[in-house]
Amino acid sequence: DAGVTQSPTHLIKTRGQQVTLRCSPKSGHDTVSWYQQALGQGPQFIFQYYEEEERQRGNFPDRFSGHQFPNYSSELNVNALLLGDSALYLCASSLDTGASNSPLHFGNGTRLTVT
Amino acid sequence: QKEVEQNSGPLSVPEGAIASLNCTYSDRGSQSFFWYRQYSGKSPELIMFIYSNGDKEDGRFTAQLNKASQYVSLLIRDSQPSDSATYLCAVNPDSSASKIIFGSGTRLSIRP
Repeated sequence: DAGVTQSPTHLIKTRGQQVTLRCSPKSGHDTVSWYQQALGQGPQFIFQYYEEEERQRGNFPDRFSGHQFPNYSSELNVNALLLGDSALYLCASSLDTGASNSPLHFGNGTRLTVT
Repeated sequence: QKEVEQNSGPLSVPEGAIASLNCTYSDRGSQSFFWYRQYSGKSPELIMFIYSNGDKEDGRFTAQLNKASQYVSLLIRDSQPSDSATYLCAVNPDSSASKIIFGSGTRLSIRP
């Protein structure tokens, strides 16, 4: 049973560039959430995708956008990269049961470094 | 006020003792509460979730929830060096299966 997979594992980009991160959810899951985790901090919610639509969004600028495909996989795009975007980007999947106690299952993350 | 607050630590506990980790949350309507463990350089892994007032036990771990005080805690009995990690408290602030908000984590160190 495949867990959540993310690619790439590491990425180095230059300020101003654009980046795309990819995520495949755990088998049987239909919801994908993206988080940004800076060093020494807890994960910060970016947005969540369900049924190919952005269902909820955290306090992140429009430079952060995403997509969910019919097979439930998802992409996170970040435009006009800033040095402050350097972080671990975590994808988490869950199953929408309509209840509030659906736990998140995390991938191993993508470490993004902006120079 | 942060939505989910934790003491950053480090919390140092001798091997075999009970480690007690605490968390408070601001949204009184919060429904579900989670504890995740994160080893350095790794992604968070779910330890427990709780959504009813009281205690929930799973092996050496006990989660405690007090909605009136907006307080969640995690007890780790018989602490082992392998328990040394950062523990993240997370809260679902509404009744739907939507965003889960994390605290900044408490770093726990078990000394032999």
